[in-house]
Amino acid sequence: QSALTQPASVSGSPGQSITISCTGTSSDVGSYNLVSWYQHHPGKAPKLMTFEVSNRPSGVSNRFSGSKSGNTASLTISGLQAEDEADYYCCSYAGSSAWVFGGGTKLTVL
Amino acid sequence: EVQLVESGGGLVQPGRSLRLSCVASGFTFDDYVMHWVRQAPGKGLEWVSCINWNSNTIGYADSVKGRFTISRDNAKNSLYLQMNSLRAEDMALYYCAKGGDFVLEPFDYWGQGTLVTVSS
Repeated sequence: QSALTQPASVSGSPGQSITISCTGTSSDVGSYNLVSWYQHHPGKAPKLMTFEVSNRPSGVSNRFSGSKSGNTASLTISGLQAEDEADYYCCSYAGSSAWVFGGGTKLTVL
Repeated sequence: EVQLVESGGGLVQPGRSLRLSCVASGFTFDDYVMHWVRQAPGKGLEWVSCINWNSNTIGYADSVKGRFTISRDNAKNSLYLQMNSLRAEDMALYYCAKGGDFVLEPFDYWGQGTLVTVSS
């Protein structure tokens, strides 16, 4: 159960698109289409943004989209808005009733 | 409205024990998997443990296996985490999170967390 690898930070200007990567192994990301992404504003509860790689919960903007190729998952945010500035975490099922998170990526909207 | 309210955090010495609780409301508690997730100061989220509706399926992170025990009382809409042999690295904000019908589903609601401080 090693943490998934995410870039520490990404940034973009309002209106632009950014992509956050999440690299795991053949034991987690590569084995299951069970990658989810969470948005976390400090001091608030984390919020589910995408699940099962590319599905969005009801109420989440379609500016957020997920994908996966091999052992790497990605979250793309299009049309960046100031309120998107937050920490983002990927999470994958890792088998044996266990989950593993990524180290988190701080998104700065310039 | 789904609400998850954690309690039981506090200051504890290394090697000692602490029991966290999470009271749920706004949904049928005994239909869902429940999780504990923690965040150490200045660090990222770390999944800790999960338990299915009837406690037949339980999972733990390697970092807590053998020291922490998750349980639930469906009659009280409550989730628990018994933490023994606490270490400095267990110091974190502990979140209770609601899963889906099965362990394979994501965490769709989270509480605000309860802070555990491990220090002598």
